[in-house]
Amino acid sequence: EAGVVQSPRYKIIEKKQPVAFWCNPISGHNTLYWYRQNLGQGPELLIRYENEEAVDDSQLPKDRFSAERLKGVDSTLKIQPAELGDSAVYLCASSSYHEQYFGPGTRLTVT
Amino acid sequence: GNSVTQMEGPVTLSEEAFLTINCTYTATGYPSLFWYVQYPGEGLQLLLKATKADDKGSNKGFEATYRKETTSFHLEKGSVQVSDSAVYFCALKLGNEKLTFGTGTRLTIIP
Repeated sequence: EAGVVQSPRYKIIEKKQPVAFWCNPISGHNTLYWYRQNLGQGPELLIRYENEEAVDDSQLPKDRFSAERLKGVDSTLKIQPAELGDSAVYLCASSSYHEQYFGPGTRLTVT
Repeated sequence: GNSVTQMEGPVTLSEEAFLTINCTYTATGYPSLFWYVQYPGEGLQLLLKATKADDKGSNKGFEATYRKETTSFHLEKGSVQVSDSAVYFCALKLGNEKLTFGTGTRLTIIP
């Protein structure tokens, strides 16, 4: 079966610009996660979806970050406007029971 | 809160050496424990897991035992190969919640 798909793989933008990341989870996986991984650190959860409902967004900086998961399948994570400190790898993961499968991530560089 | 502390890297070993990467955790409740591996340029992959005390997870020659008394889940391999060079993350999860990761340990194996 296909794994978690993310695009783009790399993105370079100037600060104050908007950016969006896309994730297609493994077919049939109801739970979708967005994590942020700063350089030299482990991933940290931004938001978790159960189907189309965001059930944990406590770590999402809501002043500039937004996410959606229309129809409970694909998901988009947006940053507007981006700041220098947003440079990181953004990881999407999905799970059906208790095991999470990760996508390759999007490496964002804000200049 | 929940947290994972793992051995700081980088760790450099010669091929066929014995590997131990220490991991301890703090959690409210009884977590599942995981080791993830991130090869250069790739996404996170589940290496092994254990869901209850005294369980031993194993995969690709790696092993880790869930020790409740010492709140530890140390990763071991008897004879490492160059292809094991990667970043290793210890993580815990309570129920269907998010994964909480350690900071990662970069392992380099020299031929």
